[in-house]
Order: sequence, then structure tokens, then C-alpha cells
Amino acid sequence: EVQLLESGGGLVQPGGSLRLSCAASGFTFSSYAMSWVRQAPGKGLEWVSSVSASGDYKDYTDSVRGRFMISRDTSKNTLYLQMNSLRADDTALYYCAKAFSGDYVSDAFDIWGQGTMVTVSP
Amino acid sequence: HMTQSPSSLSASVGDRVTITCRASQSISTSLNWYQQKPGTAPKVLIYGASTLQSGVPSRFSGSGSGTDFTLTINSLQPEDFATYLCQQSYSVPPTFGQGTQVEIK
Repeated sequence: EVQLLESGGGLVQPGGSLRLSCAASGFTFSSYAMSWVRQAPGKGLEWVSSVSASGDYKDYTDSVRGRFMISRDTSKNTLYLQMNSLRADDTALYYCAKAFSGDYVSDAFDIWGQGTMVTVSP
Repeated sequence: HMTQSPSSLSASVGDRVTITCRASQSISTSLNWYQQKPGTAPKVLIYGASTLQSGVPSRFSGSGSGTDFTLTINSLQPEDFATYLCQQSYSVPPTFGQGTQVEIK
């Protein structure tokens, strides 16, 4: 079964850090671009970051560039999001998502995890 | 930038529902539609503007190209009451519409 399982969310104070993980199974992880997409409570979906299949290309939404870092470990079939200097407006449910076609960072997302909640509050 | 309309609608079982999505510039047919139910992750329904994802009922259909796109649900079923979102995959960043909530009349 194709599956993504996020972990690492929690409550953190403003200025703090968290590292999210996304364990992939059931597909050839090294062949697909992967992304993080977030959803603030009661709001729509916002793309956060993507990484190419090789890990060589990475991109971020403007509001997190310089604070967040995406990475992947093919040996562990795991995607990561290191989040530093967290702010209240980073509070959201964070999903990892698989690119539909392959190594396209802007693609449809055909597989999503269940999400991990990040709450930034004093 | 992706703009969906309406933001919400009320419909009855058996109705035909149409949701539109407009892009601020041409995105060819790089438009995808998702369904999201409360407390769950989005599920892709249609990709490439009009191709039905495997396993999605044929009452769902998509059309359009350039800047204007439509999702149609023929004969709305009880399990279709949800939020529908469009997403462009033409360029980075991939952007989503704000969503259309389909509610029971």
C-alpha cells in the first residue's frame, strides 16, 4: 500500500524549532519529487516547500524561505522539514505529499499523509 | 493566483453541481481538482484539467484550458458533500484555490 506517515509536530514557543518527518512506503521514493503543504485552522491549502527526486532542487514559499529547510534521505525513504524561527502564523496542519508524475516539483499531488499539527504559541 | 467560485453552495442529492476555477494567467491544462472532507487529507479527483484519477466515480468531470476551468459533479451523492479545491501545477509555486464548500440543502 502506498503510504505517507508524518510525525514531529507539536507545541512550540515563538522562535523555536521543530523537525517534521514523513516516512514513505509502497512506492519508489527516490523517483518522485516530494512536497510539504500546510493548512492553517479553518483555512485553505498552502504549498510550503518541494524537493526534487535527487534532492538537488529545493524551493520554498516566500514566507518560510531562510527559516525552513526541506531534505530527503533515500536510504530511509523519509522526507524532512526543519523549521526554525517559528512564528504564530506557521501554526497549521502540515501534510507531506507525493508528486503524481515523477520528478516534477510542480505537479498534482496524488498521495498525502494524514498530517502533523504544528502549534506556535507562548 | 487561483480564484474559485462560488465559495460555497447548497445542493440536493441528485443535483448537478458546477464549480469554476480561474487562473490569473494561462496555465494550459495544468489544473488539478481535489476533494477534502473534514479531518482528512485532500484526495485528487482530476488531473490535467480533465483526466479522472483512478478509482474516482465517473460522475465527476473536468474541463477547460488556459485560464478558465470547471469541475462538474453529475447526480450529487451523499458522500460528495465536501470542500473542493483547484490547484495549478503549471509553475512553481503550485497554488491552490480557496475552496468551494458543497453543503446539503
